[in-house]
Amino acid sequence: SAVISQKPSRDICQRGTSLTIQCQVDSQVTMMFWYRQQPGQSLTLIATANQGSEATYESGFVIDKFPISRPNLTFSTLTVSNMSPEDSSIYLCSVDRNSLNTEAFFGQGTRLTVV
Amino acid sequence: GESVGLHLPTLSVQEGDNSIINCAYSNSASDYFIWYKQESGKGPQFIIDIRSNMDKRQGQRVTVLLNKTVKHLSLQIAATQPGDSAVYFCAELHNAGNMLTFGGGTRLMVKP
Repeated sequence: SAVISQKPSRDICQRGTSLTIQCQVDSQVTMMFWYRQQPGQSLTLIATANQGSEATYESGFVIDKFPISRPNLTFSTLTVSNMSPEDSSIYLCSVDRNSLNTEAFFGQGTRLTVV
Repeated sequence: GESVGLHLPTLSVQEGDNSIINCAYSNSASDYFIWYKQESGKGPQFIIDIRSNMDKRQGQRVTVLLNKTVKHLSLQIAATQPGDSAVYFCAELHNAGNMLTFGGGTRLMVKP
């Protein structure tokens, strides 16, 4: 199984600021995924992060608000920009199951509260 | 306090009873399904998976049933224990990609 580490595990941020969340995997993977889990809800895919190319965003999510970096095959960052209280969520990193030939693994998540 | 599962449908069962959690999926082209368990403060944890060419798969104390005709997935937990209390999500994988689409989730509460 893969070990996925996210930092920070939680943060409280002021509205209008930005937060960068890091995701580190202990194995090389082709694709990494960023999900958002709003309070009391299920997981929604934000974007797919591919190494060497721009991230692919799902409907309702834009690069200006959620810029993503993928500098190598084991690391990715998600930035939540110009935050508002509506951005208060758990943000989760996941990896491509095909790279690991197994089920999709998740990090422990980053709990963001915007005040 | 923990926010995961606050507004999700809740299934309450007695310890030792069997639990059945249901999920409807949307894409008939999905070829792989996963059940996840999410405990407070943690990311989703893989429980069991099933491919679309199967209709049943068993694990340790868990069974997943797939009905492709009505696009329905269920998770059965035998002899439910307090440690099974969590939010359970089904997820489907579209064969054209590797991203998962999650169902709405069900909160399981086990009464001692």
